[in-house]
Amino acid sequence: AQSVTQLGSHVSVSEGALVLLRCNYSSSVPPYLFWYVQYPNQGLQLLLKYTSAATLVKGINGFEAEFKKSETSFHLTKPSAHMSDAAEYFCAVSEVGGYQKVTFGIGTKLQVIP
Amino acid sequence: DVKVTQSSRYLVKRTGEKVFLECVQDMDHENMFWYRQDPGLGLRLIYFSYDVKMKEKGDIPEGYSVSREKKERFSLILESASTNQTSMYLCASEGQPNTGELFFGEGSRLTVL
Repeated sequence: AQSVTQLGSHVSVSEGALVLLRCNYSSSVPPYLFWYVQYPNQGLQLLLKYTSAATLVKGINGFEAEFKKSETSFHLTKPSAHMSDAAEYFCAVSEVGGYQKVTFGIGTKLQVIP
Repeated sequence: DVKVTQSSRYLVKRTGEKVFLECVQDMDHENMFWYRQDPGLGLRLIYFSYDVKMKEKGDIPEGYSVSREKKERFSLILESASTNQTSMYLCASEGQPNTGELFFGEGSRLTVL
């Protein structure tokens, strides 16, 4: 069975500092991997996705993530945090083939301090 | 842009009431999903549907049922609401089938008293 572990349910960074949100996955087959973002009182929206092409994936709002098979990781980064990045971020995994079931991590709330 | 619309943003119901949560998508997507979101637990899949009148149980289907009579509409039903079903409910549709790329509605926050 596939699973996702997000390290740190709350992360605080200063405005302008590096953002690093950690995600590790387990999957029996090569997966699709995703990061979704949820702003307050809204649904989730796709930030970026890995689908077995380039291992470094660029998303919206300056975020990127790197797929590392040897570490089973898909950490999300942004060089310089902005106040508008404050939100909850979810890592998700989906196994390739058949009817897809997307499994989400518990989420990481990012606080950006002025 | 894909639009997934959930009919009610906030609902307050009493224990034992029947609750309908409706979701409509406007992009002719085949696959649709219902999740519940709880603090510290992330999103958990309740049910999904891969075609009209077709449904599959997710990880936590107990106490819920679903209906998909038309491709664009996927309803979640709580036959007899209980307090432990107080939660945020999120509907999603899948853009390209079997890719896992989901488009979400804004959510329905249900409180059961």
